[in-house]
Amino acid sequence: AAGVIQSPRHLIKEKRETATLKCYPIPRHDTVYWYQQGPGQDPQFLISFYEKMQSDKGSIPDRFSAQQFSDYHSELNMSSLELGDSALYFCASSSIGGGYTFGSGTRLTVV
Amino acid sequence: AQTVTQSQPEMSVQEAETVTLSCTYDTSESDYYLFWYKQPPSRQMILVIRQEAYKQQNATENRFSVNFQKAAKSFSLKISDSQLGDAAMYFCAYRSAGGSEKLVFGKGTKLTVNP
Repeated sequence: AAGVIQSPRHLIKEKRETATLKCYPIPRHDTVYWYQQGPGQDPQFLISFYEKMQSDKGSIPDRFSAQQFSDYHSELNMSSLELGDSALYFCASSSIGGGYTFGSGTRLTVV
Repeated sequence: AQTVTQSQPEMSVQEAETVTLSCTYDTSESDYYLFWYKQPPSRQMILVIRQEAYKQQNATENRFSVNFQKAAKSFSLKISDSQLGDAAMYFCAYRSAGGSEKLVFGKGTKLTVNP
């Protein structure tokens, strides 16, 4: 069965650079979620999209932005990267009343 | 806002024995979902078991079962016949049935399985 695809798997950036993470949800899933998991932490909700519109917003820094495109894939853009942005970034997708499936995550390291 | 509390940062169990991980939550909603996720060293988030709040029957998935006490807002996970592959971080999570469908996670319990 198709799963949630995230790219890249690993990313190393320098401070003040920008990064773009991509997420391809399961076909026919209409909602995409982004989570940030710092080292030794639980995942924290950043933002979600339903049918290409932002549906909820969590603790997402102003330096971050995201969108969902017409093909339902989503991108998380992070600018002016800081050391504290080093984390595992998960994307998940779901359908109404359905299950919630996580991607394998993108490990971002800021040096 | 909903909160999820896992009071056991670490637990250990002998292989083939049974262990119970605790989770409590706070919400004013009557309809919601509760989950246990497993995160092995690979960091993949794997769904272990799901419970709908409107269902009184406790969910079961093979060796994994829950004890859902809605009035007490408690949702514990029992792992029977523990295997070495069960070693992982386990997260309890809450999701509203309406409105925002984001997951709210507990801090996690690190489970060690001893041979």
